[in-house]
Amino acid sequence: NAGVTQTPKFQVLKTGQSMTLQCAQDMNHEYMSWYRQDPGMGLRLIHYSVGAGITDQGEVPNGYNVSRSTTEDFPLRLLSAAPSQTSVYFCATIRAYEQYFGPGTRLTVT
Amino acid sequence: GIQVEQSPPDLILQEGANSTLRCNFSDSVNNLQWFHQNPWGQLINLFYIPSGTKQNGRLSATTVATERYSLLYISSSQTTDSGVYFCAVNYKGGSEKLVFGKGTKLTVNP
Repeated sequence: NAGVTQTPKFQVLKTGQSMTLQCAQDMNHEYMSWYRQDPGMGLRLIHYSVGAGITDQGEVPNGYNVSRSTTEDFPLRLLSAAPSQTSVYFCATIRAYEQYFGPGTRLTVT
Repeated sequence: GIQVEQSPPDLILQEGANSTLRCNFSDSVNNLQWFHQNPWGQLINLFYIPSGTKQNGRLSATTVATERYSLLYISSSQTTDSGVYFCAVNYKGGSEKLVFGKGTKLTVNP
């Protein structure tokens, strides 16, 4: 039981490039979410999903797309990376109101 | 939206000391969690505590929902307690979207 896994751990992009951050969970949880963490701040919700085929926007959704085709996977897509998207990205699942986080992806956009 | 304020922002202790971290929130909530982010960036669930008191070893937490605050107590602190402690809440009647405070950075010196 690996819990919540994220790949890659580190990524450097140039402005304008696109990429997908992967998130997978093996706990069969319906709810998954993506957060970003900037220096000196708490986490902010980007997008979330309450089940396969259902997604919704969080606090800071601009510049990011998500889809949820399976219960296990919830990828986050950056369509055209910008320096403002330099951050650490965390994926999470929720069970019985408690959130469980993946190890994070550190993204730098130059 | 709901506001979450944590205090103090920074705290430095000697090993063995006790501490109290505070979380104030501006609206009624139906979910409050405390997290510890260790120096390697990993986020760990400490407590799910929308009301009442819970204890887990040297850590305990109390939430007074009617007065909109929560306290995290750390007793006999150890160097491994170092890191950032986050409080996160979600709206009463809303979806399972957590709003984080900016955290309390704790440094425990040997």
